[in-house]
Amino acid sequence: DIQMTQSPSSLSASVGDRVTITCQASQDISNYLNWYQQKSGKAPKLLIYDASNLETGVPSRFSGSGSGTDFTFTISSLQPEDIATYYCQQYDNHPPFTFGPGTKVDV
Amino acid sequence: EVQLVESGGGLVQPGGSLRLSCAASGFTFSSYEMNWVRQAPGKGLEWLSYISSSGSSIYYADSVKGRFTTSRDNARNSLDLRMNSLRAEDTAVYYCAREKRAADAFDIWGQGTMVTVSS
Repeated sequence: DIQMTQSPSSLSASVGDRVTITCQASQDISNYLNWYQQKSGKAPKLLIYDASNLETGVPSRFSGSGSGTDFTFTISSLQPEDIATYYCQQYDNHPPFTFGPGTKVDV
Repeated sequence: EVQLVESGGGLVQPGGSLRLSCAASGFTFSSYEMNWVRQAPGKGLEWLSYISSSGSSIYYADSVKGRFTTSRDNARNSLDLRMNSLRAEDTAVYYCAREKRAADAFDIWGQGTMVTVSS
């Protein structure tokens, strides 16, 4: 099965900062990667699908890029409401769908 | 409003069984593939099971294969997860999630239901 890693595991940033999270797959997954946001005690929310497509209704400060094994998720200007844990998820040759271990973002 | 609502969670003894349900509303349930995902306390997300829109294709994570069974009733807009031989490590919040059309991403999630396996 494909394994996913994320870095960093946690970060603390200030409001207005640019925040970048990386996700690496154990093998080439093309652009078959999604990003989710999970706030404390809530269900995950889809932000980015197919590596770089912004889900409807998601603010444009969120973006994704990458292909193959290396992917990046960016918040261009961190807002207080962005405090959450962010997960990448691969779906190449699924199932299984594999989630990364998550990155906790604090302000 | 597009919505998924899970039910059926609770406290169960090791080795016991439980059935979770997920009620869908606000969309044409029969047109969507569905999944179950769980999250142990303080841990990350773990995909458990996939079922095609018709119910003809079902897949499981190795961690639950042979113990959990996913089914759906498109007439009742309902998704089920039957869990047998439960273990302490099955303790988690269980989510049902809809797969986005034309993209293999989970765009709608339920609120989750907590399952605790303990004596």
